[in-house]
Amino acid sequence: DVKVTQSSRYLVKRTGEKVFLECVQDMDHENMFWYRQDPGLGLRLIYFSYDVKMKEKGDIPEGYSVSREKKERFSLILESASTNQTSMYLCASSLFYGGGGDGQPQHFGDGTRLSIL
Amino acid sequence: DQQVKQNSPSLSVQEGRISILNCDYTNSMFDYFLWYKKYPAEGPTFLISISSIKDKNEDGRFTVFLNKSAKHLSLHIVPSQPGDSAVYFCAANIYNQGGKLIFGQGTELSVKP
Repeated sequence: DVKVTQSSRYLVKRTGEKVFLECVQDMDHENMFWYRQDPGLGLRLIYFSYDVKMKEKGDIPEGYSVSREKKERFSLILESASTNQTSMYLCASSLFYGGGGDGQPQHFGDGTRLSIL
Repeated sequence: DQQVKQNSPSLSVQEGRISILNCDYTNSMFDYFLWYKKYPAEGPTFLISISSIKDKNEDGRFTVFLNKSAKHLSLHIVPSQPGDSAVYFCAANIYNQGGKLIFGQGTELSVKP
């Protein structure tokens, strides 16, 4: 079974702090993703990575950065936390999908509920 | 620009009956579709998928139907059980984007005993 582990289930931080969210997967997946989930908005992609040291912006990258120094680890960084970044953050991983119709599902961690005060 | 839409935020069904969750999409380049189930305080779990070259995929109580001409897919759960109560997300993949998924807003299913 694929295991995606997020370092914290709940986190409370203050406005202006630099916040690190860590994610580790154990299945040697090429792809890793960071989402945030907000009521009525579904899952929105923040950043993703196809390989070590590679990163691509998702739909809402503003205020965030990422780091992927090792294949199994993908970190999300809130450079200066703000109250509108209070949310559920979800990390996922998958094998690379090159097309053909039989794709690869993403496997998710249990999420980090982040509150910015 | 919402490329994947779930227009029903919630659905309530009696135990034992059929649950039908709907999803519409706009991008004809999507070639793989998935359904995820999410309980509160947990991450989404993969439920079932379908390739764009098929129109139906079945796994136990869960069946996904794809209507490409209407750009519509649906998830049928038969019979529904109280444990199926969760938020369901549909998602779609574009063949040349290596695994990036576009998610709908989710539909909260409540199955009443």
